[in-house]
Amino acid sequence: EIVLTQSPGTLTLSPGERATLSCRASQSVRGSYLAWHQQKPGQAPRLLIYGASTRATGIPDRFSGSGSGTDFTLTITGLDPEDFAVYYCQHYGFSPYTFGQGTKLEI
Amino acid sequence: QVHLQQSGPGLVKPSQTLSLTCAISGDSVSSNSATWNWIRQSPSRGLEWLGRTYYRSKWSYDYAVSVKSRMTINADTSKNQFSLHLNSVTPEDTAMYFCARAGQAHYDIWTGYYYVFDYWGQGNLITVSA
Repeated sequence: EIVLTQSPGTLTLSPGERATLSCRASQSVRGSYLAWHQQKPGQAPRLLIYGASTRATGIPDRFSGSGSGTDFTLTITGLDPEDFAVYYCQHYGFSPYTFGQGTKLEI
Repeated sequence: QVHLQQSGPGLVKPSQTLSLTCAISGDSVSSNSATWNWIRQSPSRGLEWLGRTYYRSKWSYDYAVSVKSRMTINADTSKNQFSLHLNSVTPEDTAMYFCARAGQAHYDIWTGYYYVFDYWGQGNLITVSA
């Protein structure tokens, strides 16, 4: 199975700043079949990005994804107060579909 | 708009069977363009995909190795829902359980369709304790 390692574990920033979150895979992610999900306390995860760089429906353009192979990045430009949450990367190229351990974005 | 509504008990005794149901609105459990999944989340294991079912002329099932011997997913087309049954539970099965739809995201001419988790249920906190 693919092991996804996210860094940093916690990222402390202020509204308006730029956040850069990293996800590294233990082996190449076929077809860049990698997604990013956002989770707020007490809520289910929400799909942000799939195919490494395609925004899901309704996701603001301040969210962008990039990368291929084993290294992927989620960038949030101009942080909004509602963006402070935990972010998970996840691969879906083949089962088992695994998740990273998460990056907590805090104020 | 797809909506997934979960139901089930919050407390299960060790060695018993955990059963959860996920009712679907806005899509069909028999859809040819989606798969129906169970995922759990705990502080010790993080987010863990458990298994899925889907219909492509017949029903198919995939399970994570960690639960394969104890887990069953059933689809009920008459109620448009699917369920999870996890037997012989232990305290290690204590977690928040989510159902999720995976919708078609990509097509590869050689390997077929790929699906991404795009709709999630609200979650059920399950505690395994005597």
